[in-house]
Amino acid sequence: AQSVTQLGSHVSVSEGALVLLRCNYSSSVPPYLFWYVQYPNQGLQLLLKYTSAATLVKGINGFEAEFKKSETSFHLTKPSAHMSDAAEYFCAVRSGNQFYFGTGTSLTVIP
Amino acid sequence: NAGVMQNPRHLVRRRGQEARLRCSPMKGHSHVYWYRQLPEEGLKFMVYLQKENIIDESGMPKERFSAEFPKEGPSILRIQQVVRGDSAAYFCASSPLDEQYFGPGTRLTVT
Repeated sequence: AQSVTQLGSHVSVSEGALVLLRCNYSSSVPPYLFWYVQYPNQGLQLLLKYTSAATLVKGINGFEAEFKKSETSFHLTKPSAHMSDAAEYFCAVRSGNQFYFGTGTSLTVIP
Repeated sequence: NAGVMQNPRHLVRRRGQEARLRCSPMKGHSHVYWYRQLPEEGLKFMVYLQKENIIDESGMPKERFSAEFPKEGPSILRIQQVVRGDSAAYFCASSPLDEQYFGPGTRLTVT
């Protein structure tokens, strides 16, 4: 069975500080992995995806994620947090036609 | 290319009434997923449909909930005899297979 675990349901960082949101997955086959962002009262937007090409994936808004097979991780990072990054972030894994989402991490950016 | 459309954006129903939520996928997408999101919770998968077929409804409650994706027209998520516990945000996503594109959601409030 596929699953995604997001460690830390709430993360707070200062503006300008490093953002690190953690995601671990379990998958019996090479995974397709995704990060989505959700702003209040909106749907989910795709930030980036890993599809077995480069292990370091760059996404929109300065975010990137690194696929580490040995750690079964796909953590999301951004070097310098901006106030506009405050949102809910979801990690997801695709297996066949099914998508499995983590429970989300709420990012707060402190001015 | 218009994105995934959902309507209505907000829906208020009294207990016992029916709620019908509509989702128009992106042009060319033949896969639709429905998810439910409760406050402080992640996305819960409900059902996965292709045109005229329900592929996976393992996340749907056994009673009162149904979904369809007809050959013509939008996908419909139908909730009969709504109860207060049905209050949530319902998102649909369409997919050409490799990733999902989300609609803005319908926020259902049961009074």
